[in-house]
Amino acid sequence: EDQVTQSPEALRLQEGESSSLNCSYTVSGLRGLFWYRQDPGKGPEFLFTLYSAGEEKEKERLKATLTKKESFLHITAPKPEDSATYLCAVQDNNAGGTSYGKLTFGQGTILTVHP
Amino acid sequence: AAGVIQSPRHLIKEKRETATLKCYPIPRHDTVYWYQQGPGQDPQFLISFYEKMQSDKGSIPDRFSAQQFSDYHSELNMSSLELGDSALYFCASSLESTATAFFGQGTRLTVV
Repeated sequence: EDQVTQSPEALRLQEGESSSLNCSYTVSGLRGLFWYRQDPGKGPEFLFTLYSAGEEKEKERLKATLTKKESFLHITAPKPEDSATYLCAVQDNNAGGTSYGKLTFGQGTILTVHP
Repeated sequence: AAGVIQSPRHLIKEKRETATLKCYPIPRHDTVYWYQQGPGQDPQFLISFYEKMQSDKGSIPDRFSAQQFSDYHSELNMSSLELGDSALYFCASSLESTATAFFGQGTRLTVV
């Protein structure tokens, strides 16, 4: 069974204070690892897809990296508008190599950035 | 760019009533997923469809059913509603070839 564990559960930062969120995963065959941002009462907003170990992607103040066991979401010089819950999810390749696409999510990290 | 459209955005039902949630995927996306998110919880996979056929099933109660129609929109039907069914219900769509799922804004179901 696929498992995703995110840490920390909550993170409070001062504006401009860089940090990283962790996502550890267990999956039989990784098709993709995804990062989403979710604001209260809203749908998850897609940030990144990572497919293989060593891959990195960047978008504004965010950078996502992937190893064979975990992914990090690095936040550089965050602003108050970066406050949200950040969700990590994995998609598994089934034994036949055909993915049906369901995502297994972690519990999320609640990020609060104070001005 | 077009996004995933869900309706209604909010729904209040009484116990034992029936609810129908609708999802309109991003144009040309061939896969639709339904997720349930309880308060303070992560989204839990319910069911998915690929090219209008059910492709995977998660922790969906027998009281729930879903289908995808010829125009690719999907409906989640929920019967004999219970208080515990109160949650946010998200629909997501993707191209099977690219894997990345895009989520709608959700339907907040409250059962009273």
